[in-house]
Amino acid sequence: AQSVTQLGSHVSVSEGALVLLRCNYSSSVPPYLFWYVQYPNQGLQLLLKYTTGATLVKGINGFEAEFKKSETSFHLTKPSAHMSDAAEYFCAVSDQSGYSTLTFGKGTMLLVSP
Amino acid sequence: DAGVIQSPRHEVTEMGQEVTLRCKPISGHDYLFWYRQTMMRGLELLIYFNNNVPIDDSGMPEDRFSAKMPNASFSTLKIQPSEPRDSAVYFCASSLIGAEQYFGPGTRLTVT
Repeated sequence: AQSVTQLGSHVSVSEGALVLLRCNYSSSVPPYLFWYVQYPNQGLQLLLKYTTGATLVKGINGFEAEFKKSETSFHLTKPSAHMSDAAEYFCAVSDQSGYSTLTFGKGTMLLVSP
Repeated sequence: DAGVIQSPRHEVTEMGQEVTLRCKPISGHDYLFWYRQTMMRGLELLIYFNNNVPIDDSGMPEDRFSAKMPNASFSTLKIQPSEPRDSAVYFCASSLIGAEQYFGPGTRLTVT
């Protein structure tokens, strides 16, 4: 069984500040890891993904995440927040068996203040 | 490609009525997923299909919910009869095997 824990249902930052959204996962097999973003009244959009290879993954809109197996973490970062980054962010895990089911975290709402 | 298409975008209905939500996945994708999102329960997987065959429907809340995928380009989620607690946003997503899922814009269902 797999699970995802996102620490903090809400994170507030000032525009220009570092964004750090935390994600820890539990998986008995090598995982695939994903971050999705959801803007108000929209569906989820893929930000980035880790499958195999390089543990530092770069995504869209300046976001990146690092897979740390020893810490079972996949935290999302962005050096400088922009007002347009305000949205809800979901971390998700699947296994590498070839099946495509995802287990999602409960989401973290990112609030960006001017 | 136009992405995953869902209709209607908004549905308001009265308790007891039948509701049908529709989804057109991305062409060539062989997996299709139905999710429900609420404030209380977050994002829940209801059912998913592989090559038009239902694989796991353990997330379907009760017998009032049913889903079909008659062909590779169309799926429906039906609620009969609907209840106020079914009010939520319903998402459809599709993917290729072992790859990321692409989500539709969702259908916001309100049952009064």
